[in-house]
Amino acid sequence: NAGVTQTPKFRVLKTGQSMTLLCAQDMNHEYMYWYRQDPGMGLRLIHYSVGEGTTAKGEVPDGYNVSRLKKQNFLLGLESAAPSQTSVYFCASSYGSSQHFGDGTRLSIL
Amino acid sequence: AQSVTQLDSQVPVFEEAPVELRCNYSSSVSVYLFWYVQYPNQGLQLLLKYLSGSTLVESINGFEAEFNKSQTSFHLRKPSVHISDTAEYFCAVSGTGGSYIPTFGRGTSLIVHP
Repeated sequence: NAGVTQTPKFRVLKTGQSMTLLCAQDMNHEYMYWYRQDPGMGLRLIHYSVGEGTTAKGEVPDGYNVSRLKKQNFLLGLESAAPSQTSVYFCASSYGSSQHFGDGTRLSIL
Repeated sequence: AQSVTQLDSQVPVFEEAPVELRCNYSSSVSVYLFWYVQYPNQGLQLLLKYLSGSTLVESINGFEAEFNKSQTSFHLRKPSVHISDTAEYFCAVSGTGGSYIPTFGRGTSLIVHP
């Protein structure tokens, strides 16, 4: 049982490049989330989804887009990467009140 | 709207000493409360949670937390810490109805010294 899997684990981008982070869960959870974690800031919610085909903005959505075409996958896109988006990105899923997290993607924007 | 305040960003402690990590929350609705732990280079893992019933909840590795509604607190305690407890600890709060979207505190780094 893999739980929540994030790919890639590490990536370095140049300013202006685009990329997509993939999150996959095998627990049949309805809810999925994307967070970013920065030193001293805790976890901040970027976007979330309450089911297949639905997405919603979180606390810090600017510069990101998401899609949930399949229940098990939640994609986070950066259309034009900026140095301020250098962070560790975590995906999570949940059925009830508790969340299950992936191991994160470390993203550096030069 | 809800918010979480973790009063200490870092807590150093010696092995086998007791520890308390403080968490206060603010919410206009009934709440669920959580503590998550994050070990280096890993994602967060649920440590314990309060949903209803007994206000004292325990984890399998010796941590406990008590929901205090009057003081809007959910402090995490352990009577004797181990080196392996060194990690980042996050307190989180969610509403009890609807989508359960949690709000996280900024985290407390527990550093256990030998």
